[in-house]
Amino acid sequence: KAGVTQTPRYLIKTRGQQVTLSCSPISGHRSVSWYQQTPGQGLQFLFEYFSETQRNKGNFPGRFSGRQFSNSRSEMNVSTLELGDSALYLCASSLENTGRGEQYFGPGTRLTVT
Amino acid sequence: GQQVMQIPQYQHVQEGEDFTTYCNSSTTLSNIQWYKQRPGGHPVFLIQLVKSGEVKKQKRLTFQFGEAKKNSSLHITATQTTDVGTYFCALQGGGTSYGKLTFGQGTILTVHP
Repeated sequence: KAGVTQTPRYLIKTRGQQVTLSCSPISGHRSVSWYQQTPGQGLQFLFEYFSETQRNKGNFPGRFSGRQFSNSRSEMNVSTLELGDSALYLCASSLENTGRGEQYFGPGTRLTVT
Repeated sequence: GQQVMQIPQYQHVQEGEDFTTYCNSSTTLSNIQWYKQRPGGHPVFLIQLVKSGEVKKQKRLTFQFGEAKKNSSLHITATQTTDVGTYFCALQGGGTSYGKLTFGQGTILTVHP
């Protein structure tokens, strides 16, 4: 089975712009979670989607949003980018419909905001 | 929300030495997971511990879950250069905490050949 894929792998944006990141989970996995990883804050949970519905959300401002499509692919969007949004954005999929258990992470999208 | 303290933040060892990282919580945990992230890579699941006092082994890696289910440790025997990376413990929330893992800060392991 193919692993979790994320596109693009690298992205450079300017403050104030918006960005959309994409994640394709492992085939058959319907739960997709997103995380932000920075040197200062570590790995932080953004949100989780299942069957096109956001079931859980972390403590991030409303500029961070996401969605999931009927094929379980997910996108996250960050609007009005700030310098502090520079980070590695990771998505993870889970076989369990509760999103619990082992999470399979994608390679991440490295976002740099200048 | 649930939080977990992970220590040490860094560990430098000579190849062949042992390594241990610890995670501690002030609350009782339903389970704990461990992940490894190689430099430039992404977190990879190692194991999940569920039972009080549980001990699991994977080759040179030994994972323990405390009797009170408030702490956990990962021990690597005779480290190798391939063990380099950051080791994270992670908690899953209960109830409706779908898909959310709360990660410890991680222990960065460097192994000198």
